[in-house]
Amino acid sequence: AQKVTQAQTEISVVEKEDVTLDCVYETRDTTYYLFWYKQPPSGELVFLIRRNSFDEQNEISGRYSWNFQKSTSSFNFTITASQVVDSAVYFCALSEASTGRRALTFGSGTRLQVQP
Amino acid sequence: DVKVTQSSRYLVKRTGEKVFLECVQDMDHENMFWYRQDPGLGLRLIYFSYDVKMKEKGDIPEGYSVSREKKERFSLILESASTNQTSMYLCASSMGSSGQETQYFGPGTRLLVL
Repeated sequence: AQKVTQAQTEISVVEKEDVTLDCVYETRDTTYYLFWYKQPPSGELVFLIRRNSFDEQNEISGRYSWNFQKSTSSFNFTITASQVVDSAVYFCALSEASTGRRALTFGSGTRLQVQP
Repeated sequence: DVKVTQSSRYLVKRTGEKVFLECVQDMDHENMFWYRQDPGLGLRLIYFSYDVKMKEKGDIPEGYSVSREKKERFSLILESASTNQTSMYLCASSMGSSGQETQYFGPGTRLLVL
């Protein structure tokens, strides 16, 4: 069965620090998709990125970057020069192509607090 | 712009009450989902639906039922609310069946059962 582990429950940094959120996944499927979502205090989950299992290229979007490594089953998320607006709960999630389940399996989330 | 709305942001109910949580999406998505979010557990799937009148159990369906009479609306029903159903409930929708589809979430309903 699929599983997503976010070992960091809460991280606190000072503004402008870089921070990395870890995500480790388990799946038996050869085709799968990994996601990151952000949940600000308002509660609504906001989609950040999706990667498929065949594409191990790192992705950069502004201050955000993602490092996908199949060898370690990890999909880590780095925020460079963090800002107070980055304070939120971040979720990593997985879906498998073969099960037809269509739903996401989420990690337990990492709460990021960025102090001014 | 994508929009998923939920009928209430906050609800307070008594033990034993029947509770309805409503979710509406305006994107003509075929898939709709109900998740429950609890501290330290992340989001867990309660039920999902891939078509009108179709439903499938998720990981924690006990104590819940769902209804999807129209494509845009997916209701979660607590037949007899209990205190252990106090939680944040999130609705989501998506289109497609490959697994790569982005899910769009509503703002959530925070339910307190007394």
